[in-house]
Amino acid sequence: GQNIDQPTEMTATEGAIVQINCTYQTSGFNGLFWYQQHAGEAPTFLSYNVLDGLEEKGRFSSFLSRSKGYSYLLLKELQMKDSASYLCAVAPYGQNFVFGPGTRLSVLP
Amino acid sequence: DSGVTQTPKHLITATGQRVTLRCSPRSGDLSVYWYQQSLDQGLQFLIQYYNGEERAKGNILERFSAQQFPDLHSELNLSSLELGDSALYFCASSSGATSTDTQYFGPGTRLTVL
Repeated sequence: GQNIDQPTEMTATEGAIVQINCTYQTSGFNGLFWYQQHAGEAPTFLSYNVLDGLEEKGRFSSFLSRSKGYSYLLLKELQMKDSASYLCAVAPYGQNFVFGPGTRLSVLP
Repeated sequence: DSGVTQTPKHLITATGQRVTLRCSPRSGDLSVYWYQQSLDQGLQFLIQYYNGEERAKGNILERFSAQQFPDLHSELNLSSLELGDSALYFCASSSGATSTDTQYFGPGTRLTVL
């Protein structure tokens, strides 16, 4: 089976950098996704990692280490609008997405 | 705007009733997924359809059923509703059938069962 862990809540200051971690236990998977979800709204796609390493996309970067069962999402130059939940999801072989519980990020002025 | 549409946006009904939620995928996408998100809970995968056929089933109750029509829109039917069914129901779509494909989510239907 799959088990995905994320911190429940994080707080950071506007303009700062924050790293949101995701650890998982799964026997094998195609890739790992990160989604952003504002309260009451739809999740929106942020990034997809297939290979180990860092994928950079503007202010957001995502890292994957398959050997360590670990991923993180790095948000730079935080803005108030980045206050949201961040969900990681793994795509196990032959199965559908399994979403983590999400990390609720609060960005303070 | 993801290109996925869902109706209605809000639905309020009573216990024991039946409701139908509707989803239209992004143009060109063949897969439709349904998810349930209860208060303070993560996204729970319910069911996936690909090009009209059921592809995968998650934690979907027997009281719930879904289908995908020839024009690729999908409907999720919830019957004998209980208070605990109150949740946000999201539909997502992707181009392919597998979990390697990015899923794009609709705005959701907020169901309240009184």
